[in-house]
Amino acid sequence: GIQVEQSPPDLILQEGANSTLRCNFSDSVNNLQWFHQNPWGQLINLFYIPSGTKQNGRLSATTVATERYSLLYISSSQTTDSGVYFCAGPGTDSWGKLQFGAGTQVVVTP
Amino acid sequence: GAGVSQSPSNKVTEKGKDVELRCDPISGHTALYWYRQSLGQGLEFLIYFQGNSAPDKSGLPSDRFSAERTGGSVSTLTIQRTQQEDSAVYLCASRLGSSPLHFGNGTRLTVT
Repeated sequence: GIQVEQSPPDLILQEGANSTLRCNFSDSVNNLQWFHQNPWGQLINLFYIPSGTKQNGRLSATTVATERYSLLYISSSQTTDSGVYFCAGPGTDSWGKLQFGAGTQVVVTP
Repeated sequence: GAGVSQSPSNKVTEKGKDVELRCDPISGHTALYWYRQSLGQGLEFLIYFQGNSAPDKSGLPSDRFSAERTGGSVSTLTIQRTQQEDSAVYLCASRLGSSPLHFGNGTRLTVT
């Protein structure tokens, strides 16, 4: 199956800083998603972004499907951005199971 | 509207007992997933249902694990003869077609 690698594994930010999280895939993807898991364990879908760039407030994401990677940008970070960020993508079946990366643990300090 | 609902939210059981975890997906969602998350770890795929197709069971860790989806809606994940290593948060998710995945709040299973 598809392999998903996320970097960095951990990130400590001071409030107000910007950061970039990366997700690499072993195969081409057509259904890539980014999730945020808050400190209470809830998983929230941030972006569904098979290609191109999307923005939602201070967060944006870019996927370059032909090069098998996606980037998540956090600008002007806030303490509420703390948590674990996961990316996930499928195998060859666009409606198939999503394989998750190991996540990036983000801590934003005041 | 209502999201993905899982019950119970917490379950403590003795080693060797069987447990059933329930998932009510978002109405109309054709795909349903079960994942497992151990403490401080990522999400481990367990099983995936898509419409009336045969489920993808490739992630079930042993034959003690099974899942059903009745009427294309509610799903039950059953773990027989629970072991301590089964302790984890079990997450259910659903979606319509290839749309974004929606997760429930999970069931925290503790095997003593």
